[in-house]
Amino acid sequence: KNQVEQSPQSLIILEGKNCTLQCNYTVSPFSNLRWYKQDTGRGPVSLTIMTFSENTKSNGRYTATLDADTKQSSLHITASQLSDSASYICVVSGGTYKYIFGTGTRLKVLA
Amino acid sequence: DTGVSQNPRHKITKRGQNVTFRCDPISEHNRLYWYRQTLGQGPEFLTYFQNEAQLEKSRLLSDRFSAERPKGSFSTLEIQRTEQGDSAMYLCASSSTEGRGEAFFGQGTRLTVV
Repeated sequence: KNQVEQSPQSLIILEGKNCTLQCNYTVSPFSNLRWYKQDTGRGPVSLTIMTFSENTKSNGRYTATLDADTKQSSLHITASQLSDSASYICVVSGGTYKYIFGTGTRLKVLA
Repeated sequence: DTGVSQNPRHKITKRGQNVTFRCDPISEHNRLYWYRQTLGQGPEFLTYFQNEAQLEKSRLLSDRFSAERPKGSFSTLEIQRTEQGDSAMYLCASSSTEGRGEAFFGQGTRLTVV
């Protein structure tokens, strides 16, 4: 069964600290993996997208890694800011248009 | 604004009423998706269009749900005889067959059935 699992479910950190979110998937075939940021009550916004051959992709303070052998990805946030408070969703594309979504990690950054 | 546009942003309706949502995708995108998201969960796939053709419908899309994309541009999602369980955020996304086909999401329509 195609699944995407994320951990932790929720996370609270202090402003300025780093954190790492995890994503494990069993989607096959694999096309690409994306991380989205979703603010409360709004649609998801893409942070990074990685294909099978890409191990690391950065977008400002966000760095995503992909290990296609172990089917794991991580999203590392450096020097967190209050505006990073959101849900972070891992999405795996299993074909031409199929997107399998994880349930997300809810991040809260405190001042 | 050239992003994906959804209307209305919020809808409150009484149980049993019909509702219709509209999605205007990014103009050059030929793929359009509808998703439903409940609180604390990731989006769940509802249906997918390539141009005007509806190529896939999820089992979640009961007979009360219908989606159209008549001219391959905007799309509508109609829910008939709404139930309280239909309360959710309905997200629309679009993508192109060119490049990586990254999906861009609209802001969603929040439906509350009372």
